[in-house]
Amino acid sequence: DAKTTQPPSMDCAEGRAANLPCNHSTISGNEYVYWYRQIHSQGPQYIIHGLKNNETNEMASLIITEDRKSSTLILPHATLRDTAVYYCIGHGSGNTGKLIFGQGTTLQVKP
Amino acid sequence: DTAVSQTPKYLVTQMGNDKSIKCEQNLGHDTMYWYKQDSKKFLKIMFSYNNKELIINETVPNRFSPKSPDKAHLNLHINSLELGDSAVYFCASSPLSGGGDTEAFFGQGTRLTVV
Repeated sequence: DAKTTQPPSMDCAEGRAANLPCNHSTISGNEYVYWYRQIHSQGPQYIIHGLKNNETNEMASLIITEDRKSSTLILPHATLRDTAVYYCIGHGSGNTGKLIFGQGTTLQVKP
Repeated sequence: DTAVSQTPKYLVTQMGNDKSIKCEQNLGHDTMYWYKQDSKKFLKIMFSYNNKELIINETVPNRFSPKSPDKAHLNLHINSLELGDSAVYFCASSPLSGGGDTEAFFGQGTRLTVV
């Protein structure tokens, strides 16, 4: 699985878009980019994933660069409840499904 | 309706004791996992089972023994507990093993404190 690099922390004003970057320059062609988050004292929660194309769901949007070496998770209107640690994970086939978590980005949404 | 449920949520026990943590998923998934989150908040996989068969064992001490009576349950038994076993243990499940296009669902965790 690809090694990912994320900033350790970010702040965002409530109601604004939160843009969380992730570098995954070693990602291979069949590896998906996954985003999970962990709100304090809870289990990790799946947010979104993508392979090449940009993706959007009810929680967030995922923008993947054309060369697939980096991506950005966008929370369009951050709320205080979005304060969490956000993990970007490269996840490919043939790896038995295990997720390799890095340190993630601690997002603090401020009123 | 909880998808992945773990019991107990909190567990405080003395060194040397043996304890078990139970996990059940009602999602019909084939694959279940145990992850450990230590005091520095690093999340690391310990075990994975696919249809009751062990497929991942990440060099965990053999005091830890997972058991899967059926594909909806994956329990974790820990013998001779040590102070360093104190952590939060998360159970998870996913629909497929080996697929890149699958999401995992996590339980709420079991906070184990060894005193």
